Amino acid sequence: EAQVTQNPRYLITVTGKKLTVTCSQNMNHEYMSWYRQDPGLGLRQIYYSMNVEVTDKGDVPEGYKVSRKEKRNFPLILESPSPNQTSLYFCASSPQPSYEQYFGPGTRLTVT
Amino acid sequence: GIQVEQSPPDLILQEGANSTLRCNFSDSVNNLQWFHQNPWGQLINLFYIPSGTKQNGRLSATTVATERYSLLYISSSQTTDSGVYFCAVLAGTALIFGKGTTLSVSS
Repeated sequence: EAQVTQNPRYLITVTGKKLTVTCSQNMNHEYMSWYRQDPGLGLRQIYYSMNVEVTDKGDVPEGYKVSRKEKRNFPLILESPSPNQTSLYFCASSPQPSYEQYFGPGTRLTVT
Repeated sequence: GIQVEQSPPDLILQEGANSTLRCNFSDSVNNLQWFHQNPWGQLINLFYIPSGTKQNGRLSATTVATERYSLLYISSSQTTDSGVYFCAVLAGTALIFGKGTTLSVSS
């Protein structure tokens, strides 16, 4: 089944404890991206990747890192999480940005 | 940047009713998608529709790119249709989402 998977789906952590949210797609897509969804602010792009080893900042990159060492994986790294990073996170992929984009199931992160 | 406006913001329906959701965007686009966010928070792809008309069961969508709007039609609504419906358009390399229409369908 063609899909985008994210892990973990739910995470409660404490300020400053490094964490990684994994994202994997099995559709051989070149383009992948991360979004966060917050009440009143909607969905906003954090980072994106046009291909392996090619990443760039989206609208809200502060406090996040990403890597794209393999085409299928695009992990989101929070080196020192803070409470303002409490959010619902989505990973997405597509052959190119202008093609239909497919979203993972979301990761609900709470930082206390 | 590009603006995406959805209307109405909220919609309450009885099961079996029909509805039309609207998405206006401020610039030409080459990617427009409709999503349903279910009560568990998952974003479900409904349509990829930069232009033209598509149908999938009780749902259909029309995008008139020259007039910068898209419509999502839901016929014979069911309680499982409840949730938030988002329109999103591509600006550069990011999807820009509207604020959504929250649909509540009661039996």
